[in-house]
Amino acid sequence: GAGVSQSPSNKVTEKGKDVELRCDPISGHTALYWYRQSLGQGLEFLIYFQGNSAPDKSGLPSDRFSAERTGGSVSTLTIQRTQQEDSAVYLCASSVTQGVYEQYFGPGTRLTVT
Amino acid sequence: GNSVTQMEGPVTLSEEAFLTINCTYTATGYPSLFWYVQYPGEGLQLLLKATKADDKGSNKGFEATYRKETTSFHLEKGSVQVSDSAVYFCALAKGTASKLTFGTGTRLQVTL
Repeated sequence: GAGVSQSPSNKVTEKGKDVELRCDPISGHTALYWYRQSLGQGLEFLIYFQGNSAPDKSGLPSDRFSAERTGGSVSTLTIQRTQQEDSAVYLCASSVTQGVYEQYFGPGTRLTVT
Repeated sequence: GNSVTQMEGPVTLSEEAFLTINCTYTATGYPSLFWYVQYPGEGLQLLLKATKADDKGSNKGFEATYRKETTSFHLEKGSVQVSDSAVYFCALAKGTASKLTFGTGTRLQVTL
């Protein structure tokens, strides 16, 4: 079946604009994770969903970042008033359920804030 | 908090050489340990994992053993190939959420 997909693959935006990044997890996977990969910070966890609930938002770097998940499937990560330090590759992963199961990663969205 | 430290790269080896990439971790309790690989132009893929002390994870000729006494999970391969050229990430996960905490990644370049 299809893997995790993310859109757009690349996004260039001006500082101060809002952006939305989309993740389509593997069908039937109830756990969904967002990570960020940047040169300065490496790979870091942002937020985790189990179903439509987000029990762990501890990695969101500021209140400009938010995420939601609807229907236990698609998730959207929104960054408001983007800053240059938000430039990174945003990765989404899904897992069959919460717990120590393999996380399957999408190809990522490369965000560049100019 | 939890953290993972892995050797800095890049690591450059000739084909058929022996590979070791060191990884140590800091965590309370008993995390699960992982190696992920990112091939050029591709997404992160799970390479192998171990969920308890003394477990050995293995895949595609790669091995790593969960050593609690030294808090380590070193990646090894007896004979690398050019196709193994990639970035390798050591990671740990704990608890119900099992969010991954990654090391900084080690780039491996294998030449003929």
